[in-house]
Amino acid sequence: NAGVTQTPKFRVLKTGQSMTLLCAQDMNHEYMYWYRQDPGMGLRLIHYSVGEGTTAKGEVPDGYNVSRLKKQNFLLGLESAAPSQTSVYFCASRRTSGDSGGEQYFGPGTRLTVT
Amino acid sequence: AQKVTQAQTEISVVEKEDVTLDCVYETRDTTYYLFWYKQPPSGELVFLIRRNSFDEQNEISGRYSWNFQKSTSSFNFTITASQVVDSAVYFCALSEADNYGQNFVFGPGTRLSVLP
Repeated sequence: NAGVTQTPKFRVLKTGQSMTLLCAQDMNHEYMYWYRQDPGMGLRLIHYSVGEGTTAKGEVPDGYNVSRLKKQNFLLGLESAAPSQTSVYFCASRRTSGDSGGEQYFGPGTRLTVT
Repeated sequence: AQKVTQAQTEISVVEKEDVTLDCVYETRDTTYYLFWYKQPPSGELVFLIRRNSFDEQNEISGRYSWNFQKSTSSFNFTITASQVVDSAVYFCALSEADNYGQNFVFGPGTRLSVLP
């Protein structure tokens, strides 16, 4: 049981390049999330998904796209990377519990630098 | 709108001291959930505790304890007899009911350094 995994762990991009971050979970969780973590700002929600084939915007969605084609995978795409997207990206998943009180389980993070 | 405040940006203590990390939250919902997560230097986020708004009992787990007070909208975290391994950034978070957790708001975190 690997929990939540993220690929890659590190990446350096040049401005304007594109890339996709992959998140996978093996806990059969319905809900999945992408956050970014910047110094002094905690975690901010980029996009989330409440089930296969559904996605929605979070607090800071601009410049990112997501897809949830399979229940276990949640992809985060950057179409044209900008230096402001330099950050640590965390994926998380949460079980469906009938309320919103379930804790989120986090992946190890992806450190992205855009030069 | 919901909000989580962790006023202490950084705290340094000497090993074996007790330390309390403060968390103050804002929400208009009557049903909500509070969480604490630990982020050690290795970077992963580790879930510590969840508390729902209807359960104000304090909780103790080993050297960790949590004090939830609805009257002051606070959910403080105390580490007793701190150890070097407790050095980490600690995040408090709030989730309101009936929104699938998309309003899972994190505080800015408190960096705790425990010195030997």
